[in-house]
Amino acid sequence: EPEVTQTPSHQVTQMGQEVILRCVPISNHLYFYWYRQILGQKVEFLVSFYNNEISEKSEIFDDQFSVERPDGSNFTLKIRSTKLEDSAMYFCASSEEDRMVGYTFGSGTRLTVV
Amino acid sequence: KNQVEQSPQSLIILEGKNCTLQCNYTVSPFSNLRWYKQDTGRGPVSLTIMTFSENTKSNGRYTATLDADTKQSSLHITASQLSDSASYICVVSVRGGSYIPTFGRGTSLIVHP
Repeated sequence: EPEVTQTPSHQVTQMGQEVILRCVPISNHLYFYWYRQILGQKVEFLVSFYNNEISEKSEIFDDQFSVERPDGSNFTLKIRSTKLEDSAMYFCASSEEDRMVGYTFGSGTRLTVV
Repeated sequence: KNQVEQSPQSLIILEGKNCTLQCNYTVSPFSNLRWYKQDTGRGPVSLTIMTFSENTKSNGRYTATLDADTKQSSLHITASQLSDSASYICVVSVRGGSYIPTFGRGTSLIVHP
């Protein structure tokens, strides 16, 4: 079964450092998303991406965050200057259609900011 | 404000027993409702997705119901297995306008042998 692949599975970074989280969506999917989940809390939407541009973003997705699809397969989330409160699980997801039909999540990257 | 409330917050049952998880929402206008299973440290995995016109949908031992009038959904798990131990998350999306889905906090289910 097709999977959304995320790397690394765990990343530790110092406060103020830049991090890039990587995702390989399912190959025929057109919509891409990033979510985060702080430990013990619910999943939160960050951003959706379609046709090489952001289609929607939440209040969480401020100027410190950016997304990119640098080639035909990867989808990245960059955090420019990490803060302690950025520590969370970050999930990438992709779908063939909008509104989460046929929506698949990756296994996540656990980001720890120290 | 769009909200999704799940109950109970946590549930412990014995292997082989049935259980029902609840989801109430205030999201409007309603587009679809999904139930996900999330194992600890893993990404959510879709169990069912229901649109406005669907009342029931099954996926193996999982059966979801939807009452769009009362804005309630339930997820029934039959003959529970140890591997059912996970968080079950209800997610509701709107029709038109903002894509951003509303997630519930999840019900943590523990199945004991």
